[in-house]
Amino acid sequence: GNSVTQMEGPVTLSEEAFLTINCTYTATGYPSLFWYVQYPGEGLQLLLKATKADDKGSNKGFEATYRKETTSFHLEKGSVQVSDSAVYFCALRGGSTLGRLYFGRGTQLTVWP
Amino acid sequence: GAVVSQHPSWVICKSGTSVKIECRSLDFQATTMFWYRQFPKQSLMLMATSNEGSKATYEQGVEKDKFLINHASLTLSTLTVTSAHPEDSSFYICSARDGYWGYEQYFGPGTRLTVT
Repeated sequence: GNSVTQMEGPVTLSEEAFLTINCTYTATGYPSLFWYVQYPGEGLQLLLKATKADDKGSNKGFEATYRKETTSFHLEKGSVQVSDSAVYFCALRGGSTLGRLYFGRGTQLTVWP
Repeated sequence: GAVVSQHPSWVICKSGTSVKIECRSLDFQATTMFWYRQFPKQSLMLMATSNEGSKATYEQGVEKDKFLINHASLTLSTLTVTSAHPEDSSFYICSARDGYWGYEQYFGPGTRLTVT
């Protein structure tokens, strides 16, 4: 079946530190992979995505590469800002489902100035 | 583009009453809408999937008689929490899938329900 395992948080960093949030997945078929961000009291916003192996998704300085050999989609950012403080969700969309997303548990990121 | 709205953004109701939450796709036609529930500091739990004009498909363990979902048009889905109880207090999030352009899901801002 489809599932996502995400690094447990919370993660606390100083501004300008390097960020990595690990995400691995199990899927049947050829899934698409996503990172969503949720700011306090809000819904989810798509941060980036990758639809096939070796694709790199990027947005706002965040990057993640779809690694089929390691079934991973780790989120990275070279220099975090206070405004990046939020909850980050890794998700997959199975190739054989009708658009259903499978989410990881979420990782709370707090960045201190 | 691709904006999904939810109304209300927050609601407080008394135990035993019913509450309706609306989810609208503002600038695209949503062939499929999803309803999620999120507990504090936890991930999203898919409650049901609804396709326009047909009955919703509920996930295992979700009471369909308690959480009534209607997807009457390509831009509107509603979730009605019937006979609400304090344990129904939660953050409810909908998403809408654009069936014509890439099948992406777009999320609403969420509705905070508090049952007293």
